[in-house]
Amino acid sequence: QSALTQPPSASGSPGQSVTISCTGTSSDVGGYNYVSWYQQHPGKAPKLMIYEVSKRPSGVPDRFSGSKSGNTASLTVSGLQAEDEADYYCSSYAGRPYVFGTGTKVTVL
Amino acid sequence: EVQLVESGGGLVQPGGSLRLSCAASGFTVSSNYMSWVRQAPGKGLEWVSVIYSGGSTYYADSVKGRFTISRHNSKNTLYLQMNSLRAEDTAVYYCACTTSGAFDIWGQGTMVTVSS
Repeated sequence: QSALTQPPSASGSPGQSVTISCTGTSSDVGGYNYVSWYQQHPGKAPKLMIYEVSKRPSGVPDRFSGSKSGNTASLTVSGLQAEDEADYYCSSYAGRPYVFGTGTKVTVL
Repeated sequence: EVQLVESGGGLVQPGGSLRLSCAASGFTVSSNYMSWVRQAPGKGLEWVSVIYSGGSTYYADSVKGRFTISRHNSKNTLYLQMNSLRAEDTAVYYCACTTSGAFDIWGQGTMVTVSS
């Protein structure tokens, strides 16, 4: 049960965009449209930001968007704001049944 | 209000046992897929176990044979029985409601420390 691969860090200035990748295999990311993304601030529980690759739960700003191509999913945060600074994790249904990504720390410069 | 509240964490010696509880309000545990996810100090998220609404259960390889997920329908509560605990099981344990392949409702977490 190998974790999905994410870059350890990403950064951008306020107002800019940042994109985080999440690479898996045909047995997880590439095989199902059940990729989700989570935001976690220090000491807090994760919060669902994107589900089923590109859907946003109620209350999540439309600055957050998701996509997938083959075995790689992506989360884009547009119009970066200070409160977007956090750790982000992807997850995929994998038939095993679930697997998380390694996590990416997003810094707002 | 939809809410999950975990309890039962604490300090336990290697080889010991602990049972975590997750009380739900605002929705029905037995009608949903419910998961346990853990996070070791300074590390990423790790899926641990899931119980489907039909009762099927699944476990990560790292806990298979040692952990058991269950639920009490009338108490609307999810459990995780953890046996043969190891130092590497030290983590914050979260329960989460799982919908459309995503973990959409999370508890606040309960800390489990395995140490002598």
